[in-house]
Amino acid sequence: LAKTTQPISMDSYEGQEVNITCSHNNIATNDYITWYQQFPSQGPRFIIQGYKTKVTNEVASLFIPADRKSSTLSLPRVSLSDTAVYYCLVVMPGGFKTIFGAGTRLFVKA
Amino acid sequence: KAGVTQTPRYLIKTRGQQVTLSCSPISGHRSVSWYQQTPGQGLQFLFEYFSETQRNKGNFPGRFSGRQFSNSRSEMNVSTLELGDSALYLCASSLGQWIYNEQFFGPGTRLTVL
Repeated sequence: LAKTTQPISMDSYEGQEVNITCSHNNIATNDYITWYQQFPSQGPRFIIQGYKTKVTNEVASLFIPADRKSSTLSLPRVSLSDTAVYYCLVVMPGGFKTIFGAGTRLFVKA
Repeated sequence: KAGVTQTPRYLIKTRGQQVTLSCSPISGHRSVSWYQQTPGQGLQFLFEYFSETQRNKGNFPGRFSGRQFSNSRSEMNVSTLELGDSALYLCASSLGQWIYNEQFFGPGTRLTVL
């Protein structure tokens, strides 16, 4: 499984767009990129998953360049409730294991 | 639809004891995974089950074991507890056969070893 590298923490203000970049240089051809969100004392929650180019859902967008060695999670107009830890994972279809990195602690200020 | 449930939510044990944690996946989900979360090591994969078979195990000592029942409910057991086993133990289930599918996490069991 490819190792991922993310910033340890980020600060933002309410209403701003937040972009969290994840590096995964050793990503394999069949791997997918997945992002989870975790609030204190809760289990992680799936945000978005993608393979290439751009994926968008009701809460976030995921941008993946052609070489797939990195990806960017974009959170539009964050609010205080978006303060959480965000994990980037590289997962393999058919695999039986997932590796969570250290994650990025996002602090949203008023 | 009910989410993933874990029991108990909180547990206090002493060193040397053993503990069993339970996880009930979302109805229809057959894949169940377990994770240990500590401030120092973060979220670490313990094991994954599908149709009562353990398909993978993380880098944990043999004191950590688990099983899955025919109704997809799962239990994990930790024997001879150590202080370092204090952690939040999370269970996750997924609908698809493969772990890369969206995982739904339970609230966790907070284990404290004294």
